[in-house]
Amino acid sequence: GENVEQHPSTLSVQEGDSAVIKCTYSDSASNYFPWYKQELGKRPQLIIDIRSNVGEKKDQRIAVTLNKTAKHFSLHITETQPEDSAVYFCAANGNQFYFGTGTSLTVIP
Amino acid sequence: DTGVSQNPRHKITKRGQNVTFRCDPISEHNRLYWYRQTLGQGPEFLTYFQNEAQLEKSRLLSDRFSAERPKGSFSTLEIQRTEQGDSAMYLCASSLASGISYEQYFGPGTRLTVT
Repeated sequence: GENVEQHPSTLSVQEGDSAVIKCTYSDSASNYFPWYKQELGKRPQLIIDIRSNVGEKKDQRIAVTLNKTAKHFSLHITETQPEDSAVYFCAANGNQFYFGTGTSLTVIP
Repeated sequence: DTGVSQNPRHKITKRGQNVTFRCDPISEHNRLYWYRQTLGQGPEFLTYFQNEAQLEKSRLLSDRFSAERPKGSFSTLEIQRTEQGDSAMYLCASSLASGISYEQYFGPGTRLTVT
């Protein structure tokens, strides 16, 4: 089955700086890679996703890049704000979704 | 609220008891997923349905767990003879399967505590 690894597990940045979270996957058949943001006690919320036929996607301050050859994808958050503080999960989808173990992002005002 | 809903939101039960959770997906979504999430971990896949058919079930899922989606709408997840290790957040998600990718939307979860 698929194996998704996510790094780092914790990340602290100063407000206004950029944050980068990286994930690797093992199954070359995976073709859809979403990112979720989960605030404490709340449900995961889809923030951005990328399909296997695209290398990069951007939505305002958030971008995701995908390298299919190397089997890794990354989340980039620019101009971070305190409200970006949360746990972020990557996932890879073949027949089912496999989630990474999460990155706890803290944005320091 | 037109999102995914789950009931109950919290359940406390004694070890050995059976529990049942319900998930109501977004109305036009044909896929429904169940996940388990423990503190500090990502959601762990349990099973999913396309319409009323259960298409896949995690090998990690013991025989004490069963899920149904009888009319292709809401789904139930039952855990029999609960154990303390079953304590977790149980999340439901739904999606509209089309093309090669499926955006999943999660419900608020049911937090199970087994004492």
